[in-house]
Amino acid sequence: SAVISQKPSRDICQRGTSLTIQCQVDSQVTMMFWYRQQPGQSLTLIATANQGSEATYESGFVIDKFPISRPNLTFSTLTVSNMSPEDSSIYLCSVVASEAEVGTQYFGPGTRLLVL
Amino acid sequence: SQQGEEDPQALSIQEGENATMNCSYKTSINNLQWYRQNSGRGLVHLILIRSNEREKHSGRLRVTLDTSKKSSSLLITASRAADTASYFCATDYTGGFKTIFGAGTRLFVKA
Repeated sequence: SAVISQKPSRDICQRGTSLTIQCQVDSQVTMMFWYRQQPGQSLTLIATANQGSEATYESGFVIDKFPISRPNLTFSTLTVSNMSPEDSSIYLCSVVASEAEVGTQYFGPGTRLLVL
Repeated sequence: SQQGEEDPQALSIQEGENATMNCSYKTSINNLQWYRQNSGRGLVHLILIRSNEREKHSGRLRVTLDTSKKSSSLLITASRAADTASYFCATDYTGGFKTIFGAGTRLFVKA
C-alpha cells in the first residue's frame, strides 16, 4: 500500500496565473499519475509521471499547460499554467505501489482548484 | 471513448437495504476495479477482479464480472449511511497502459 499527501489541499487563483501541486508518497512507488476531475464528473488521466524523464501525456493535455516533474520515486509535481476558469477542478495524484499491485491505485486526497 | 458506463447514475436507498451498481466496458480487459469517493476527496480502492475471475467478495461487497457481456456489478449488502459516496468502476485494458474510469454511481443511503 501507499500513503499519499498532496499540497495544497485547495486554492483559489486568478486567471492567467499558475499553480504547482505537490504529491508526496511515503514509499518508493512504481508508477505515478495525475488526474483531473471536473465538478460532478469522472476522472480523466492527464499524464503518467515518469521518474527522471518527461511525462507521458494523454490526448488533449500538453506539457506547456501541465508541466510535470518527478525527480525521484516518491515525489511529483503538477503545474497548471496560465489558468482559466475552465481549469477549476479537483486534481488527484495516484500511484501504483509495486509491480505486484498493478491494477490497484492509491489516491491522494486531491487538490480543489477554483479559478476566478 | 473507451470510458465505461455505469448505471444507475444515482441511487437512493434506506439503510439496511442492498445496493447494486453496474458497469459496462468496451474492449478486452486485464482486470476491473471498483473505487469509492467521498465528497470529492481522493478515491479509495475497494476491490479488484481479474479477467479470469467471475466473482469476488470482500466483507459486505460482492463483485461479479461477465466478460462475455463486458459488464460487472458491485453489490453492497446491508447498506449503512456511511456507504453514501460515489462509486467508480475502472478497467485496465488488454494491451493498454492506463486505467479508464467509468462515469460513476452516486449512492445515497438514508438513515
